[in-house]
Amino acid sequence: QSALTQPPSASGSPGQSVTISCTGTSTDVGGYNYVSWYQQHPGKAPKLMIYEVSKRPSGVPDRFSGSKSGNTASLTVSGLQPEDEADYYCSSYAGSNNLVFGGGTKLTVL
Amino acid sequence: QVQVVESGGGVVQPGGSLRLSCVVSAFTFSRFDMHWVRQAPGKGLEWVAFIRYDGSNKYYADSVKGRFTISRDNSENTLYLQMNSLRAEDTAVYYCTKAVGSGWPFDYWGQGTLVTVSS
Repeated sequence: QSALTQPPSASGSPGQSVTISCTGTSTDVGGYNYVSWYQQHPGKAPKLMIYEVSKRPSGVPDRFSGSKSGNTASLTVSGLQPEDEADYYCSSYAGSNNLVFGGGTKLTVL
Repeated sequence: QVQVVESGGGVVQPGGSLRLSCVVSAFTFSRFDMHWVRQAPGKGLEWVAFIRYDGSNKYYADSVKGRFTISRDNSENTLYLQMNSLRAEDTAVYYCTKAVGSGWPFDYWGQGTLVTVSS
């Protein structure tokens, strides 16, 4: 199973919005509403930010939102803050008891 | 306060074996499906293995199938990963994670344990 495709980097200034894409196929992203997004700061474990495409776990700011269209999912971070600078990974259930991750996107807050 | 603590990592020669452990506290371990996810140095995340809450089903990534075995002891709140026939490409931080629902989103992660396969 191939990894999902994410841009290697993204950036924005404080207060701006940035969107990170995650492209898969009809057998993963396009086939299930089971896309998750994780935030990972250097040296730390990943943190779940979005699940089931657009749901936010308790405690995650509503500045983080998720969506999906066809085989591409997106994470939007609005009102960028310095602490949002991190690596972001998408994942999707891929059927047949398999999960695939994206390669990760490094978000820089300028 | 939920705690997920992995241990057992270290340096092992190619072809060798290692067993990772993960002790969980502050949630009812026996009610939840668990997974292992790994991250090679400087690389992205890779799902490794799944075990049903009662141990009745186990699934593996193709890259580890036949070499790794996931298991659990619900009486000890502990998850295991037995890794055999280790290869250089298995070098990674291994995370123990809890799935929160359908589609396997992971809401709790340990701090990870580093496995280095090198001669």
